[in-house]
Amino acid sequence: EIVMTQSPATLSVSPGERATLSCRASQSVSSNLAWYQQKPGQAPRLLIYGASTRATGIPARFSGSGSGTEFTLTISSLQSEDFAVYYCQQYNSWPPALTFGGGTKVEIK
Amino acid sequence: QVQLQESGPGLVKPSETLSLTCAVSGYSISSGYYWGWIRQPPGKGLEWIGSIYHGGSTYYNPSLKSRVTISVDTSKNQFSQKLSSVTAADTAVYYCARLNVVGWYFDLWGRGTLVTVSS
Repeated sequence: EIVMTQSPATLSVSPGERATLSCRASQSVSSNLAWYQQKPGQAPRLLIYGASTRATGIPARFSGSGSGTEFTLTISSLQSEDFAVYYCQQYNSWPPALTFGGGTKVEIK
Repeated sequence: QVQLQESGPGLVKPSETLSLTCAVSGYSISSGYYWGWIRQPPGKGLEWIGSIYHGGSTYYNPSLKSRVTISVDTSKNQFSQKLSSVTAADTAVYYCARLNVVGWYFDLWGRGTLVTVSS
């Protein structure tokens, strides 16, 4: 099983500031990495796939980078609606054994 | 507009079987896509349970494979999951979702349904 580790667990950021979230895979997943945003009481929403491609309707302030085992999600200027929990998910293994990271909570500083 | 809606009992007794259904509207399951189940224990992270294609091909999380069965009913445009021998550790919000054709990430989610395992 590919283990996904996210850091930090909690990130305190002021509105308008930049947020940088990390996701590390226990072995290479190439660029087969997705990011999701989850707000309280809601289902996750796809933000990024292929490590760096924004999903439909996702604002340009969200960007993803990385390949192999190290990935980053950057929110360039945090808006009030961006305070949420963010999860990474790898989809490289075959047969599929999809795994998620433990999440990073982005909270208001 | 494609929508997914989970349904099933909100309370299941320990050792019994948890059964949930996901109804898909706005798209015919027979047209393609893999569909899947994911769960989230209260206050915790996400765990993939398994996925199914309209033709019936299934893939399961190895850690749950011995207890889970996912099936599809194209006539009702829905898919289902059964998880046997449940314990309190299976208490979670259960989501159904659609897997993208390009890669195995989830591009559309249901709202989720909370299932509590308790006597």
